Amino acid sequence: NAGVTQTPKFQVLKTGQSMTLQCAQDMNHNSMYWYRQDPGMGLRLIYYSASEGTTDKGEVPNGYNVSRLNKREFSLRLESAAPSQTSVYFCASKRTGASNQPQHFGDGTRLSIL
Amino acid sequence: TQLLEQSPQFLSIQEGENLTVYCNSSSVFSSLQWYRQEPGEGPVLLVTVVTGGEVKKLKRLTFQFGDARKDSSLHITAAQPGDTGLYLCAGANQGAQKLVFGQGTRLTINP
Repeated sequence: NAGVTQTPKFQVLKTGQSMTLQCAQDMNHNSMYWYRQDPGMGLRLIYYSASEGTTDKGEVPNGYNVSRLNKREFSLRLESAAPSQTSVYFCASKRTGASNQPQHFGDGTRLSIL
Repeated sequence: TQLLEQSPQFLSIQEGENLTVYCNSSSVFSSLQWYRQEPGEGPVLLVTVVTGGEVKKLKRLTFQFGDARKDSSLHITAAQPGDTGLYLCAGANQGAQKLVFGQGTRLTINP
């Protein structure tokens, strides 16, 4: 029972490089999310996709793009990485429906930008 | 913009002690969730409270939703080292697909 799978688990980039973080869920959830987690700041929403074919900005979207490839997969792209994007990135998914449905999280991608 | 403030941000206590973590907002939420996160892993849902004044118990953990649905608390009785982790509260609004997260409380229980 995999749940939410994120790849890679760790990555080091140089300033200006690009990369795509991958996320896949096997729970047939409609909604998917990308967060970043920095010390003392909890989880901040970058982008989300309420259903296949739709994406919306969250609290901190600048410098990121997303693609909802299909119902299972939601990727996050950094076009030109900056040191301020050093963080731990979490993908989550949930069933659409009641707003109090729980979100299910992957184990994160630890990204360092030098 | 809705905000959730958690206090304390850090708490380190001895095994067997009791503790309370608070999650406060000036905004009303339709429900509130509590998650626990262990190092190297993503957050995992502990409980969802929906009704103002609601109390839910999960073994030694007691969760309460404020009467006005603006705040919540997590009380742990006789804390154990296994309770160590980052505790996050998250508020949900009716019809919205997003959560608002607090900044977290990092709890350490010393043997």
